[in-house]
Amino acid sequence: QSALTQPPSASGSPGQSVTLSCIGISSDVGGYNYVSWYQHHPGKAPKLIIYDVSKRPSGVPDRFSGSKSGNTASLTVSGLQAEDEADYYCTSNTGNNDFVVFGGGTKLTVL
Amino acid sequence: QVQLVESGGGVVRPGRSLRLSCTASGFNFNSFGMHWVRQAPGKGLEWVAVIWYDGSKKYYSDSVKGRFTISRDNSKNTLYLQMNSLRAEDTALYYCAKWFQYYDNAMGNWGQGTLVTVSS
Repeated sequence: QSALTQPPSASGSPGQSVTLSCIGISSDVGGYNYVSWYQHHPGKAPKLIIYDVSKRPSGVPDRFSGSKSGNTASLTVSGLQAEDEADYYCTSNTGNNDFVVFGGGTKLTVL
Repeated sequence: QVQLVESGGGVVRPGRSLRLSCTASGFNFNSFGMHWVRQAPGKGLEWVAVIWYDGSKKYYSDSVKGRFTISRDNSKNTLYLQMNSLRAEDTALYYCAKWFQYYDNAMGNWGQGTLVTVSS
């Protein structure tokens, strides 16, 4: 069982927006502004798309945005494109025994 | 450009040991912390271990604590993961990942992974 809770699947049509959630607790998501999001196309290396809750690395389209409220972090993908179809994982630093915890991942399907 | 190449994976019997390596290039290796992350077949990503840029701090997931050891040789630009007392549930694709910035431990760059299969 993953430490952070993500819905297993989400979907949207091209051009639409979709928001993925990542639910933690006060000792991880709620306690740190160190939430990251990763895009993972099967067979490829994962890619960092959001760090420190809402910052985008250079080269990541501004269609990807992150936010946090309390113990829940969110990733919004606007203007969905076919290439956005992938698995998305959130992580957070944690004050528990583990240093970093992952969510179980959300499979995003572009219809 | 940043390049991370994992090696050392293979098939190993339960209870045995294996050492993974991650050779880095394209950046100042001795300035960045590093992670190991794994993905079991059909499962999600799981964080395994982290090491500071100078090796001064190391943390492990509960699932590998006491069995795995992360280390690095900055003179060789290489990260290691010594895996002892391997179990079937350790079967996974193991990735190394570089900290995004020297002060930010997000996983900024990843290798392609090396496959470890624990089976009798």
